[in-house]
Amino acid sequence: DTAVSQTPKYLVTQMGNDKSIKCEQNLGHDTMYWYKQDSKKFLKIMFSYNNKELIINETVPNRFSPKSPDKAHLNLHINSLELGDSAVYFCASSQEYQGIQPQHFGDGTRLSIL
Amino acid sequence: QKEVEQDPGPLSVPEGAIVSLNCTYSNSAFQYFMWYRQYSRKGPELLMYTYSSGNKEDGRFTAQVDKSSKYISLFIRDSQPSDSATYLCAMSLYNQGGKLIFGQGTELSVKP
Repeated sequence: DTAVSQTPKYLVTQMGNDKSIKCEQNLGHDTMYWYKQDSKKFLKIMFSYNNKELIINETVPNRFSPKSPDKAHLNLHINSLELGDSAVYFCASSQEYQGIQPQHFGDGTRLSIL
Repeated sequence: QKEVEQDPGPLSVPEGAIVSLNCTYSNSAFQYFMWYRQYSRKGPELLMYTYSSGNKEDGRFTAQVDKSSKYISLFIRDSQPSDSATYLCAMSLYNQGGKLIFGQGTELSVKP
């Protein structure tokens, strides 16, 4: 059973389109995250949610809107896609967000903007 | 200057070698230190974590933290071709919503 699963794995689309990425975790964790990994493999946090509440919004353009319908799901909707949005987007989860909390990552969604 | 600096490599070693991977950081407030391994086209996988200065060992892996020098290391003994991956260090504070600050990652290749 995959602990943190993301769909789709690959997303190729045109500039200006709107797209969504879905994430689900079956670990019973309270906290979920979105990270962006650029072409140089630099991984940077975008958002974190704890029990459906936004905890971190890391100065991400408001074209990116996360939504957490329940604590096991965290989706990411992106409006008006730009070339610079091409990256790998990772979802992660942890038991909670205080203290030293190991984060479990999904295998990523590879987004390519044409 | 990035908060966490890590040499991206690539680093190539023969099978059986001892590998040393390092990160330096600028924020002395960091409290938690982690090492992740990322295989190609996969998500990062947690290898080890610690919150104190000193060494922590797990099998062939040893994580070392020197808070006074703001320097952390990961040592891999008896390296295997299956250890070929990108290794990312990550750090965090207690009250920052679980935010991990990652190094750029070091690409390691272990040759048979």
